[in-house]
Amino acid sequence: QSALTQPASVSGSPGQSITISCTGTSSDVGGYNYVSWYQQHPGKAPKLMIYEVSNRPSGVSNRFSGSKSGNTASLTISGLQAEDEADYYCSSYTSSSPVVFGGGTKLTVL
Amino acid sequence: EVQLVESGGGLVQPGGSLRLSCAASGFTFSSYDMHWVRQATGKGLEWVSAIGTAGDTYYPGSVKGRFTISRENAKNSLYLQMNSLRAGDTAVYYCAREGDYGEFDYWGQGTLVTVSS
Repeated sequence: QSALTQPASVSGSPGQSITISCTGTSSDVGGYNYVSWYQQHPGKAPKLMIYEVSNRPSGVSNRFSGSKSGNTASLTISGLQAEDEADYYCSSYTSSSPVVFGGGTKLTVL
Repeated sequence: EVQLVESGGGLVQPGGSLRLSCAASGFTFSSYDMHWVRQATGKGLEWVSAIGTAGDTYYPGSVKGRFTISRENAKNSLYLQMNSLRAGDTAVYYCAREGDYGEFDYWGQGTLVTVSS
């Protein structure tokens, strides 16, 4: 199972919005609504930010939103803040394994 | 409060074995599928294994036949037996709980495994 494709890096200024894409196939992202997004700060464990494509766990800011179109899922962060600077990973259920992760995207807040 | 605490990491020689443990608390452990996920330094997340509530197990090709995931519900514990270790297995290993929609809603702090001579 190949990793989902994410851009290596994205950047934005405080207050701006950014979107991170996560591209898979019809056997994973396109075939199921079990897409999740995780935030990871250096030296820390990943933190769940979005599940089931667009749902936010309790306690996650509504500045984080998720969507999906075809084989590509997206994470949008609006009103960028300095603390949003982190690595972001998508994941999806797949037809051949319980999960596959994206390669990760480093978000820099300028 | 849900807590997952990994232990058992360390330095091991190539070809050696190591057993990781994950102590769970704050939820009904037996009711959840559990996973191991690893991350090499500076690299992305890689799924390593999964175990269902019925004890069914799943592995990616990279560790199949070398790693064995197990659980002991009476002890609220998850395990990962790692044999025939290679340098490429060097990573921080996390245990994670799977939620209702395939998401990993809780993660441990990780335990470092270093495979080196």
